[in-house]
Amino acid sequence: DTGVSQDPRHKITKRGQNVTFRCDPISEHNRLYWYRQTLGQGPEFLTYFQNEAQLEKSRLLSDRFSAERPKGSFSTLEIQRTEQGDSAMYLCASSPLTGGLQQYFGPGTRLTVT
Amino acid sequence: QQQVKQSPQSLIVQKGGISIINCAYENTAFDYFPWYQQFPGKGPALLIAIRPDVSEKKEGRFTISFNKSAKQFSLHIMDSQPGDSATYFCAASWTGNQFYFGTGTSLTVIP
Repeated sequence: DTGVSQDPRHKITKRGQNVTFRCDPISEHNRLYWYRQTLGQGPEFLTYFQNEAQLEKSRLLSDRFSAERPKGSFSTLEIQRTEQGDSAMYLCASSPLTGGLQQYFGPGTRLTVT
Repeated sequence: QQQVKQSPQSLIVQKGGISIINCAYENTAFDYFPWYQQFPGKGPALLIAIRPDVSEKKEGRFTISFNKSAKQFSLHIMDSQPGDSATYFCAASWTGNQFYFGTGTSLTVIP
């Protein structure tokens, strides 16, 4: 399977702990996006990478959130000092830089903060 | 501020009927309008997308109608099937650096 993969698929953590999620985009896709989706809502944009450069970051994103894409391939999203309000599905998507804006989404990481 | 407003929240259609979902946007800089289908436990998957230089695009049973002056676009699903039962999201973007999604429409197609 050459689609977008995310790890882990599920994460349960206690409030105050740090968590890190990984996204492996489709090979050679330059664009990578992170979204957060809560129940009954559409995906909410968090951040965007073009290769290794983080070009966009949502103003709604608190300082507890940080993302990296060090070599322009896989990406990580870290949440520090998790809060119950961080419980959500975290989605990663990738797309090629040319040829259209079609995003390919991964299956997501379900985070539960207790 | 909700950049993209979607309606209805839920929709029930008989098998073989037409499902229509509507979206409205505010930012005239948007130049790419995709529709996504999402099944429970899965990530969204692109169904069809349109640019503002055309008023309609059709792919199989799925059609996007686009009204630039009204800043509205809609998804039409012809001959709706039970397998189409899912949540549908509209979205909008400019440059592809950031996407704004609607709140979703839960479609149920009754056999």
